[in-house]
Amino acid sequence: QVQLQESGPGLVKPSETLSLTCTVSGGSISSYYWSWIRQPPGKGLEWIGYIYYTGDAANYNPSLKSRVTISADASKNQLYLRLTSVTAADTAVYSCARGTTTVAHYFDYWGRGTLVTVSS
Amino acid sequence: QSALTQPASVSGAPGQSITISCTGTSSDVGTYNLVSWYQQHPGKAPKLMIYDVYNRPSGVSTRFSGSKSGNTASLTISGLQAEDEADYFCISYIGGNAYLLFGGGTKLTVL
Repeated sequence: QVQLQESGPGLVKPSETLSLTCTVSGGSISSYYWSWIRQPPGKGLEWIGYIYYTGDAANYNPSLKSRVTISADASKNQLYLRLTSVTAADTAVYSCARGTTTVAHYFDYWGRGTLVTVSS
Repeated sequence: QSALTQPASVSGAPGQSITISCTGTSSDVGTYNLVSWYQQHPGKAPKLMIYDVYNRPSGVSTRFSGSKSGNTASLTISGLQAEDEADYFCISYIGGNAYLLFGGGTKLTVL
């Protein structure tokens, strides 16, 4: 059974960089599209972006594009999210999710998510 | 772009059928047959129930079905069971760089 586990600092200071890791177990990240999604407290879900496991074909939400980078390391079976210049509006539960081998618009596996709070 | 519209809550008795709607616009749900549905129990990761409007992944009960009419996609659960009580949300492909739009989620209560 494929499992996704997000990890990283739970607290980040304003203007700093948020960095998260998604570790995949029970399967390989190879051949799949991978996305990051977030949900601010009391608000709706927001797609952050996706990447093909090779690092190619990255696509980011235009509202975050200037600040976000998604990357992957197949040798470690991990995905990464980097969000720069964070503000309180970036406080959210961040989740990673697996697309398919050909498309990234639906997800057959999700992580439970990790809460990141932006505060000084 | 606004989120897809879902009812905040629906309910039904065991054995009954319920339908959860997901309403978008002619730019998203109305244009693309690329709506997916997810079930999420408290504290758990979301589970894919329907993809590309109608398709059911292997292992998902046949009691779950998807459909679409115009700008509204729907998830129907027949023969309600207590274990179906959960939150359900939809996602639609919207194309371009914005790519995906999410529904606000619906809480299903099995009476």
